[in-house]
Amino acid sequence: QLQLQESGPGLVKPSETLSLTCNVSGGFIDSSSYYWGWIRQTPGKGLDWIGSIYYTGSTYYNPSLKSRLTISVDTSQNHFSLRLSSVTAADTSLYHCARQDILTGYSYTNWGPGILVTVSS
Amino acid sequence: QSALTQPASVSGSPGQSITISCTGTSSDVGGYNYVSWYQQHPGKAPKLMIYDVSERPSGVSSRFSGSKSDNTASLTISGLQAEDEADYYCSSYTGSSTVFGGGTKVTVL
Repeated sequence: QLQLQESGPGLVKPSETLSLTCNVSGGFIDSSSYYWGWIRQTPGKGLDWIGSIYYTGSTYYNPSLKSRLTISVDTSQNHFSLRLSSVTAADTSLYHCARQDILTGYSYTNWGPGILVTVSS
Repeated sequence: QSALTQPASVSGSPGQSITISCTGTSSDVGGYNYVSWYQQHPGKAPKLMIYDVSERPSGVSSRFSGSKSDNTASLTISGLQAEDEADYYCSSYTGSSTVFGGGTKVTVL
């Protein structure tokens, strides 16, 4: 059974870089049928798509975050990562990683539980 | 890209049917048959309920159905049950990005 688990610091200072990793187990990240994505959720504000990556390294970013965002993949470690620079309080959110299935209309079929990241000094 | 528009809340009595709308533009909902719906209970990760506008993943109840007309997609829950009380989000894949709706809280009266 596929499982995704986010990890990283829960507290980041303003202007610094937020770094998270999503470890994938029960499946291989280098499958041609899937993309791997990051979605964040702020209480009361719904889901916000951050971006996604294919195992080859091709990336797709939310235009509003593109200048600060880097998503990378490590197939040898079976994980993918997110780096968001110059963070502000507005980046405080619950960050989910998820598998995006090409065969189901690029929907997100499997999600990690999420990790709460607070931006504060 | 702007978020898709959903009503903030919808309610219904057990056994009734409710419909949640999701309005976008010709650049997202209207331009692709890649609309998905997610159910989220408090403290849980979202769960895929509908993909490709109207397809149900294995294990999802047939009480959930989806449709689309022009730039508006809809999720209908038939025979409403207490366990259906949750937040529901629509999304649209646009070829290079994904956009979500603001979410709808479903209350079972």
